[in-house]
Amino acid sequence: AQSVAQPEDQVNVAEGNPLTVKCTYSVSGNPYLFWYVQYPNRGLQFLLKYITGDNLVKGSYGFEAEFNKSQTSFHLKKPSALVSDSALYFCAVRPYSSASKIIFGSGTRLSIRP
Amino acid sequence: EAGVTQFPSHSVIEKGQTVTLRCDPISGHDNLYWYRRVMGKEIKFLLHFVKESKQDESGMPNNRFLAERTGGTYSTLKVQPAELEDSGVYFCASSQVISPTGELFFGEGSRLTVL
Repeated sequence: AQSVAQPEDQVNVAEGNPLTVKCTYSVSGNPYLFWYVQYPNRGLQFLLKYITGDNLVKGSYGFEAEFNKSQTSFHLKKPSALVSDSALYFCAVRPYSSASKIIFGSGTRLSIRP
Repeated sequence: EAGVTQFPSHSVIEKGQTVTLRCDPISGHDNLYWYRRVMGKEIKFLLHFVKESKQDESGMPNNRFLAERTGGTYSTLKVQPAELEDSGVYFCASSQVISPTGELFFGEGSRLTVL
């Protein structure tokens, strides 16, 4: 079965420290991988995606993610966290075979303390 | 440019009642998707419209759910009769093209509470 796992319900980081939000996936074929973010009282916003090429992809707000095929992971990272990064983050995979479905993880709440 | 808008933002109904959620996609976006997040779990796909046609409705949980997109503009999702397990946040998203590499544009969601 195709799935996305976000093993941490919540991640707490002090402002200025690096952050990592973990994501692993299970899908047949070559996956297209995404991160979306939901700020309070807002809809999901696209953050970044991996399609092909360089395993390190850069996105909005200084975020980046590293695709690791052998570990089937796509962890989200940022070198220096801001309080404004506090939000709900969703990892997602779009199977190569599907133009319709995106498979989302359960979400990780990121909390940055001043 | 207006984003994806959903109405209502929150609906509280009793078990057995009917609720209709509405989604207005970004103008010019032929693709419209419904997703839902139940009990803080993963966001799950419900269905995908291309204009007024249902491209994929494999995620619809049962026949209590009816989605329509007459005229290929806005869409409605009706739940009739609502059950307790239908509580959750229903997200609508749209995109201009069908592409597995493209991102979707989401609305703020409609929170449904069934008592």
